[in-house]
Parts: sequence; structure tokens; C-alpha cells
Amino acid sequence: NAGVMQNPRHLVRRRGQEARLRCSPMKGHSHVYWYRQLPEEGLKFMVYLQKENIIDESGMPKERFSAEFPKEGPSILRIQQVVRGDSAAYFCASSPSPAGGQETQYFGPGTRLLVL
Amino acid sequence: AQSVTQLDSQVPVFEEAPVELRCNYSSSVSVYLFWYVQYPNQGLQLLLKYLSGSTLVKSINGFEAEFNKSQTSFHLRKPSVHISDTAEYFCAVSYMFSGGYNKLIFGAGTRLAVHP
Repeated sequence: NAGVMQNPRHLVRRRGQEARLRCSPMKGHSHVYWYRQLPEEGLKFMVYLQKENIIDESGMPKERFSAEFPKEGPSILRIQQVVRGDSAAYFCASSPSPAGGQETQYFGPGTRLLVL
Repeated sequence: AQSVTQLDSQVPVFEEAPVELRCNYSSSVSVYLFWYVQYPNQGLQLLLKYLSGSTLVKSINGFEAEFNKSQTSFHLRKPSVHISDTAEYFCAVSYMFSGGYNKLIFGAGTRLAVHP
């Protein structure tokens, strides 16, 4: 059973370009979470999605960031018009169900975004 | 608001010495507690978790953590560390929202460096 897959592992963008990060959850998991890790900091929650639905996007910046989890295919985190402050590691996690907070979230290897 | 504090950003230790990584959380509701480990350039792996029951939980590789409700702590310990334990360790709190899903709140991480 493959784990959570993320690609690309490393992404370099110039200011103003778009960054598109992909996450394929573990088989059988329909719940996806995105986190951002800034240098020397812990992970910060961004968004929680179920298939075709955004459940909680309270951690997403209001502008330039969007996320989706279509019926078919991976979850996508999209950052438009990137700025240097977007440089960070972006982690995706998945779980089979929320289970009232007890369910373990399984993390992917992350995408390290560098904005030049 | 819930928060997690990891009191030490870096912990250097010699091989075979004991180690304790400290974690305190603030929450007015019941929480579930996790320790994750992150090896260089990898994603987070679950080390151990406390959901309920016995306050002392153990991992398969010799780590243990004790949930202390009165002190709101969940410190991680290992009696004898190995070089291979060198990694970053994150304490996390999971709590349930009214929608029946959970979010993880992470501490800033503790970098454990084991020296020969």
C-alpha cells in the first residue's frame, strides 16, 4: 500500500509565476489536509478537503491560494503569482475518516517550493 | 485558542545517553496528542500517540511519552539514544471541530542531534 505521494518534491518558481502542488492520498483515504512549514517553524494547517468539497480553509491566505480535491485525480494546491514569502515546504496528509480527532493523519514527503 | 509549545528548539546529546523532549499544550477541551518525527528531506512519520487510557504510550523503537493532564504536558523520552535517532521531532495536538473533523496543531519542533 503506497503512502501519500506528493509531486514535485522540489519546485523553483520566479516571482509572479504559478505553483501547482499535487497530492495523492493513501489508497482508501478520502480526507486530505494541506500544511505549510516555514523555515525553522512547525507545520501550520492550511486547508482540509474531502472529495469535491472544501471543508475548512481557515488556514489559507485569502488571496492567491486555492485548493481542490476532484472526484478523480490528486488534490491540487495552487499558488498564483508567487512571492518570496511563499517559499516553504508544503505537506499533504490523508486519513480514511476524521474519526472525531483520533484518526492518524499520514503525511507525504512534502514539496519544497523556492521562489526566486 | 489551542497551542503547542516545544520548549527546546535543539537538543544535543551523546549516543547511549537518555533524552527528554518537552511538549506543553494549552487547551480547554479534550485533546489527542501525537509525536511525529521528520528525518532530513522527508515527510513526517507518526512516532506515537495518546488517545485515551493509559497515560504512558510507547513506540516500537524505544521512545515513550506520558500524558500529564494536570501539567498539560506530553514529554517524549528515550532511555538510550542512537545516532539514527537524529531528526526533528514535532509534538501535535488534535482536537475535534463541531463538524466532526480534526485539525492538528503543531509545535515548532525540536531538533535532536545525537553525537558519537
